[in-house]
Amino acid sequence: RKEVEQDPGPFNVPEGATVAFNCTYSNSASQSFFWYRQDCRKEPKLLMSVYSSGNEDGRFTAQLNRASQYISLLIRDSKLSDSATYLCVVNEVGKKSSGDKLTFGTGTRLAVRP
Amino acid sequence: GAVVSQHPSRVICKSGTSVKIECRSLDFQATTMFWYRQFPKQSLMLMATSNEGSKATYEQGVEKDKFLINHASLTLSTLTVTSAHPEDSSFYICSAEGTYNEQFFGPGTRLTVL
Repeated sequence: RKEVEQDPGPFNVPEGATVAFNCTYSNSASQSFFWYRQDCRKEPKLLMSVYSSGNEDGRFTAQLNRASQYISLLIRDSKLSDSATYLCVVNEVGKKSSGDKLTFGTGTRLAVRP
Repeated sequence: GAVVSQHPSRVICKSGTSVKIECRSLDFQATTMFWYRQFPKQSLMLMATSNEGSKATYEQGVEKDKFLINHASLTLSTLTVTSAHPEDSSFYICSAEGTYNEQFFGPGTRLTVL
Protein backbone atom coordinates (compact mmCIF):
# COMPACT_ATOMS: atom_id res chain seq x y z
CA ARG A 1 0.00 0.00 0.00
CA LYS A 2 1.28 3.46 -0.88
CA GLU A 3 1.98 5.82 2.00
CA VAL A 4 -0.20 8.52 0.48
CA GLU A 5 -2.87 7.58 -2.03
CA GLN A 6 -4.85 9.81 -4.30
CA ASP A 7 -7.16 9.33 -7.23
CA PRO A 8 -4.98 10.24 -10.23
CA GLY A 9 -7.89 11.75 -12.14
CA PRO A 10 -8.04 13.66 -14.34
CA PHE A 11 -11.09 15.51 -13.17
CA ASN A 12 -12.60 17.48 -15.99
CA VAL A 13 -15.16 20.03 -14.75
CA PRO A 14 -16.88 23.16 -16.07
CA GLU A 15 -16.19 26.57 -14.61
CA GLY A 16 -18.21 27.17 -11.48
CA ALA A 17 -18.35 23.53 -10.49
CA THR A 18 -17.50 22.20 -7.06
CA VAL A 19 -14.80 19.56 -7.06
CA ALA A 20 -13.57 17.33 -4.25
CA PHE A 21 -10.20 15.65 -3.88
CA ASN A 22 -9.65 12.76 -1.53
CA CYS A 23 -6.52 11.33 -0.03
CA THR A 24 -5.66 8.54 2.39
CA TYR A 25 -2.44 8.03 4.29
CA SER A 26 -0.99 4.96 5.94
CA ASN A 27 1.14 6.34 8.79
CA SER A 28 -1.18 6.86 11.73
CA ALA A 29 1.53 8.82 13.55
CA SER A 30 1.59 11.58 10.94
CA GLN A 31 0.93 15.00 12.39
CA SER A 32 1.21 17.51 9.58
CA PHE A 33 -0.89 17.56 6.44
CA PHE A 34 -0.86 19.82 3.44
CA TRP A 35 -2.32 20.37 0.01
CA TYR A 36 0.03 21.62 -2.66
CA ARG A 37 -0.74 22.47 -6.26
CA GLN A 38 1.68 21.87 -9.08
CA ASP A 39 1.33 23.40 -12.51
CA CYS A 40 2.78 21.59 -15.49
CA ARG A 41 6.60 21.59 -15.41
CA LYS A 42 6.64 23.86 -12.37
CA GLU A 43 7.46 23.41 -8.70
CA PRO A 44 4.78 22.53 -6.13
CA LYS A 45 3.30 25.49 -4.29
CA LEU A 46 1.72 25.31 -0.88
CA LEU A 47 -2.04 25.73 -1.18
CA MET A 48 -3.00 25.21 2.44
CA SER A 49 -2.17 23.29 5.57
CA VAL A 50 -4.85 20.96 6.90
CA TYR A 51 -5.87 21.28 10.53
CA SER A 52 -7.74 18.78 12.67
CA SER A 53 -10.76 21.03 12.98
CA GLY A 54 -10.88 21.64 9.25
CA ASN A 55 -10.04 24.96 7.68
CA GLU A 56 -11.20 27.21 4.90
CA ASP A 57 -9.43 29.72 2.72
CA GLY A 58 -11.76 31.46 0.32
CA ARG A 59 -13.09 28.89 -2.14
CA PHE A 60 -10.93 26.14 -0.67
CA THR A 61 -11.88 23.92 2.26
CA ALA A 62 -9.64 21.24 3.72
CA GLN A 63 -10.69 18.55 6.16
CA LEU A 64 -8.92 15.86 8.11
CA ASN A 65 -10.32 12.66 9.55
CA ARG A 66 -7.64 11.10 11.73
CA ALA A 67 -9.69 8.02 12.57
CA SER A 68 -10.04 7.15 8.90
CA GLN A 69 -6.64 8.61 7.96
CA TYR A 70 -8.37 10.61 5.29
CA ILE A 71 -7.82 14.14 3.99
CA SER A 72 -10.00 16.08 1.62
CA LEU A 73 -9.89 19.29 -0.37
CA LEU A 74 -12.99 20.98 -1.72
CA ILE A 75 -12.85 23.69 -4.35
CA ARG A 76 -16.02 25.71 -4.84
CA ASP A 77 -16.86 27.86 -7.86
CA SER A 78 -13.88 26.51 -9.78
CA LYS A 79 -11.98 28.86 -12.09
CA LEU A 80 -9.96 28.16 -15.20
CA SER A 81 -6.87 29.11 -13.20
CA ASP A 82 -7.54 26.24 -10.80
CA SER A 83 -6.42 23.79 -13.49
CA ALA A 84 -3.37 22.05 -12.04
CA THR A 85 -2.32 18.89 -10.24
CA TYR A 86 -3.25 18.81 -6.57
CA LEU A 87 -0.84 17.00 -4.29
CA CYS A 88 -1.77 15.54 -0.94
CA VAL A 89 1.26 15.75 1.36
CA VAL A 90 1.85 14.17 4.75
CA ASN A 91 4.82 14.40 7.06
CA GLU A 92 6.44 11.03 7.62
CA VAL A 93 7.84 10.97 11.09
CA GLY A 94 4.91 12.23 13.05
CA LYS A 95 6.61 14.68 15.31
CA LYS A 96 6.94 18.40 14.81
CA SER A 97 10.68 18.53 14.70
CA SER A 98 12.94 20.09 12.15
CA GLY A 99 13.73 17.92 9.19
CA ASP A 100 10.55 15.88 9.09
CA LYS A 101 10.24 14.31 5.70
CA LEU A 102 7.19 14.93 3.61
CA THR A 103 5.58 12.18 1.60
CA PHE A 104 3.79 13.23 -1.54
CA GLY A 105 0.85 11.60 -3.19
CA THR A 106 1.09 11.22 -6.94
CA GLY A 107 -1.44 14.02 -7.34
CA THR A 108 -4.85 14.46 -8.89
CA ARG A 109 -5.02 16.41 -12.10
CA LEU A 110 -7.81 18.95 -12.45
CA ALA A 111 -8.87 20.50 -15.75
CA VAL A 112 -11.45 23.27 -15.58
CA ARG A 113 -13.11 24.00 -18.90
CA PRO A 114 -14.94 27.19 -19.95
CA GLY B 1 7.64 35.93 2.01
CA ALA B 2 9.08 32.40 1.94
CA VAL B 3 10.76 32.67 -1.44
CA VAL B 4 13.20 30.01 -2.56
CA SER B 5 15.33 30.43 -5.64
CA GLN B 6 17.16 27.81 -7.61
CA HIS B 7 19.91 28.19 -10.16
CA PRO B 8 20.26 27.28 -12.93
CA SER B 9 16.71 26.70 -14.12
CA ARG B 10 17.83 24.56 -17.00
CA VAL B 11 21.08 22.85 -17.88
CA ILE B 12 22.16 20.62 -20.73
CA CYS B 13 25.45 18.84 -20.35
CA LYS B 14 27.50 16.04 -21.81
CA SER B 15 27.70 12.66 -20.18
CA GLY B 16 30.51 12.49 -17.64
CA THR B 17 30.44 16.12 -16.58
CA SER B 18 29.42 17.44 -13.18
CA VAL B 19 26.57 19.85 -12.62
CA LYS B 20 26.07 22.08 -9.60
CA ILE B 21 22.64 23.33 -8.59
CA GLU B 22 22.15 26.08 -6.01
CA CYS B 23 19.15 26.50 -3.74
CA ARG B 24 18.69 29.71 -1.78
CA SER B 25 16.08 30.86 0.72
CA LEU B 26 15.78 34.55 -0.07
CA ASP B 27 13.81 36.02 2.80
CA PHE B 28 14.15 33.51 5.61
CA GLN B 29 16.74 31.24 7.14
CA ALA B 30 16.39 27.52 6.66
CA THR B 31 18.19 25.10 8.91
CA THR B 32 16.83 22.28 6.82
CA MET B 33 16.52 22.03 3.08
CA PHE B 34 15.44 19.09 0.96
CA TRP B 35 16.39 17.88 -2.48
CA TYR B 36 13.86 16.07 -4.65
CA ARG B 37 13.81 14.57 -8.09
CA GLN B 38 10.76 14.24 -10.29
CA PHE B 39 10.50 12.17 -13.43
CA PRO B 40 7.72 12.89 -15.94
CA LYS B 41 4.23 12.07 -14.68
CA GLN B 42 5.62 10.82 -11.37
CA SER B 43 5.52 12.19 -7.87
CA LEU B 44 8.35 14.01 -6.19
CA MET B 45 10.89 11.63 -4.74
CA LEU B 46 12.98 12.81 -1.82
CA MET B 47 16.69 12.35 -2.46
CA ALA B 48 18.22 13.81 0.67
CA THR B 49 17.72 16.08 3.64
CA SER B 50 20.28 18.83 3.96
CA ASN B 51 21.06 20.29 7.39
CA GLU B 52 23.10 23.43 7.81
CA GLY B 53 26.52 22.68 9.19
CA SER B 54 26.23 18.90 9.08
CA LYS B 55 26.21 16.03 6.64
CA ALA B 56 23.17 15.42 4.51
CA THR B 57 20.93 12.43 5.14
CA TYR B 58 20.34 10.44 1.97
CA GLU B 59 17.33 8.33 1.15
CA GLN B 60 17.75 4.67 0.43
CA GLY B 61 19.03 4.06 -3.07
CA VAL B 62 20.51 7.54 -3.52
CA GLU B 63 24.29 7.47 -3.93
CA LYS B 64 25.88 10.09 -1.70
CA ASP B 65 29.10 10.08 -3.71
CA LYS B 66 27.18 10.84 -6.87
CA PHE B 67 24.87 13.49 -5.47
CA LEU B 68 27.03 15.73 -3.31
CA ILE B 69 25.17 18.07 -1.01
CA ASN B 70 26.62 21.01 0.84
CA HIS B 71 24.60 23.24 3.18
CA ALA B 72 27.17 25.82 4.13
CA SER B 73 24.85 28.54 5.38
CA LEU B 74 21.30 29.05 6.57
CA THR B 75 20.29 30.33 3.16
CA LEU B 76 22.21 28.16 0.72
CA SER B 77 22.35 24.47 -0.13
CA THR B 78 24.00 23.03 -3.22
CA LEU B 79 23.55 19.74 -5.02
CA THR B 80 26.31 18.54 -7.34
CA VAL B 81 25.51 15.74 -9.73
CA THR B 82 28.91 14.18 -10.40
CA SER B 83 29.74 12.33 -13.59
CA ALA B 84 26.23 12.80 -14.90
CA HIS B 85 24.71 10.21 -17.21
CA PRO B 86 21.57 10.32 -19.35
CA GLU B 87 19.60 8.44 -16.70
CA ASP B 88 20.24 11.37 -14.34
CA SER B 89 18.17 13.61 -16.60
CA SER B 90 15.29 14.80 -14.47
CA PHE B 91 13.64 17.75 -12.77
CA TYR B 92 15.54 18.53 -9.56
CA ILE B 93 13.67 20.59 -6.99
CA CYS B 94 14.85 21.91 -3.65
CA SER B 95 12.74 23.07 -0.75
CA ALA B 96 13.36 24.93 2.46
CA GLU B 97 11.52 24.11 5.64
CA GLY B 98 9.31 26.72 7.24
CA THR B 99 8.27 27.19 10.82
CA TYR B 100 5.36 24.73 10.76
CA ASN B 101 6.91 21.84 8.82
CA GLU B 102 5.66 23.24 5.55
CA GLN B 103 8.15 23.28 2.72
CA PHE B 104 8.64 26.06 0.23
CA PHE B 105 9.93 24.93 -3.10
CA GLY B 106 12.37 26.43 -5.50
CA PRO B 107 11.37 26.67 -9.17
CA GLY B 108 13.34 23.56 -10.06
CA THR B 109 16.22 22.74 -12.36
CA ARG B 110 15.65 20.73 -15.48
CA LEU B 111 18.75 18.67 -16.18
CA THR B 112 19.31 17.03 -19.53
CA VAL B 113 22.38 14.85 -19.93
CA LEU B 114 23.29 14.04 -23.51
